[in-house]
Parts: sequence; structure tokens; C-alpha cells
Amino acid sequence: DTGVSQDPRHKITKRGQNVTFRCDPISEHNRLYWYRQTLGQGPEFLTYFQNEAQLEKSRLLSDRFSAERPKGSFSTLEIQRTEQGDSAMYLCASSPDRGRVEKLFFGSGTQLSVL
Amino acid sequence: GDSVTQMEGPVTLSEEAFLTINCTYTATGYPSLFWYVQYPGEGLQLLLKATKADDKGSNKGFEATYRKETTSFHLEKGSVQVSDSAVYFCALEGYSGTYKYIFGTGTRLKVLA
Repeated sequence: DTGVSQDPRHKITKRGQNVTFRCDPISEHNRLYWYRQTLGQGPEFLTYFQNEAQLEKSRLLSDRFSAERPKGSFSTLEIQRTEQGDSAMYLCASSPDRGRVEKLFFGSGTQLSVL
Repeated sequence: GDSVTQMEGPVTLSEEAFLTINCTYTATGYPSLFWYVQYPGEGLQLLLKATKADDKGSNKGFEATYRKETTSFHLEKGSVQVSDSAVYFCALEGYSGTYKYIFGTGTRLKVLA
């Protein structure tokens, strides 16, 4: 069990640029979640996958955001035309469960700063 | 939609004091309820959970009871330690066509020696 891995740990970009983050869940975990966390707030749900299928997408996720999990293993989250309001910690979590989730395993996150 | 409301922090206590962090929820059906903890510089990790009404989750001296009649899941500990200083998040997993796992805003706890 190597844990949930996220890359990069930190990303600084200029407004208007595109960024892509990667998440490698724990091996054989079916469920994969993306959250966004700003300072002093809890994780805000963005989207989740069951294997390669994206089952739920938050209204927070504008059309500038897109997430994929092409082979049901790693996932990418892309933000196009970044804005300063996108600055946040982006968290990935995974779970082996197919139905109700007993526990989420979180990665350390990718801290995005948009200048 | 489903939501979780936590008491605002920060909560500052002396070592060995009694801790309560309030959490209430709104959900359709029968959600599972969780407390997660985030220690300084670390990622979120599960502290305890309860999956049905009247269940009590417990871990590391912390307890929380799933109260359906008051839609609450308050976190308690009888005697806090400095090492309990962290941010605590209440969370629920509900089902309305798909499963959705959502978190409260978090409550920062600071324990003084």
C-alpha cells in the first residue's frame, strides 16, 4: 500500500494558463474523488469516478474544469484558462468500495497558486 | 441537497479538558457519518464512523453517536491532549441516485499544555 499519490505538490501559474494535475490512487481502488480545499474551509466535492466512469460532477465544476480516468487507474484534473479564484489545494482520494464508502484515503494534495 | 454543518472554531482547551465539537447534517435517506482529522502538515485521515442510527463510532478516545432524531453526530473526548491539536471535519455519505461524500467546513482544535 503506497498510498494515494498526487503530482505535482505545488503549481504556480499565471492567470489564463492551463494546468493539469495527476492522481494515482491506491492500486485496485475502484472509487476516485477530486476535492478542492481553500484555507479555513473543508474539502469541496468536485467529481468522482467509479472505475473509468465519471458518476457525479459538482455544479462548482465549471466548463473550464475537466477530469478523466481513462483506464480506471490514474486520473487527471485539468483547469483551462485559470483564474485567481482557482487558487486552492486540490485533493484526490480513493476507496476500494463499490457501494457505500467505508473510508476515503487522501493524497497530500496539489497546491495551486494562480498569479 | 445534502449538507453538513459544524461549529465554528477555533476551539482552545487546556490539556485534560472535555471536548465537544458539534455536527449536524441534512440528508435524504440514511447517510453514513464520519469524522476525519487533519494534523498539521498531514493529509486528512479517518478518525471514526457510524453507518446507521444509534451506532457509536470510537477511536483514540474520541466518540460520536449517530442521532437520527436530532440529525447530529457530535464528536466528544473526555480528556484532550496537546497531540489532539488538529482540524476536525465532519462528513457524510448520502445516496440520491449516486453516492456523494461531502464534508463540513472543519473545526480547528488547539490544546494548551
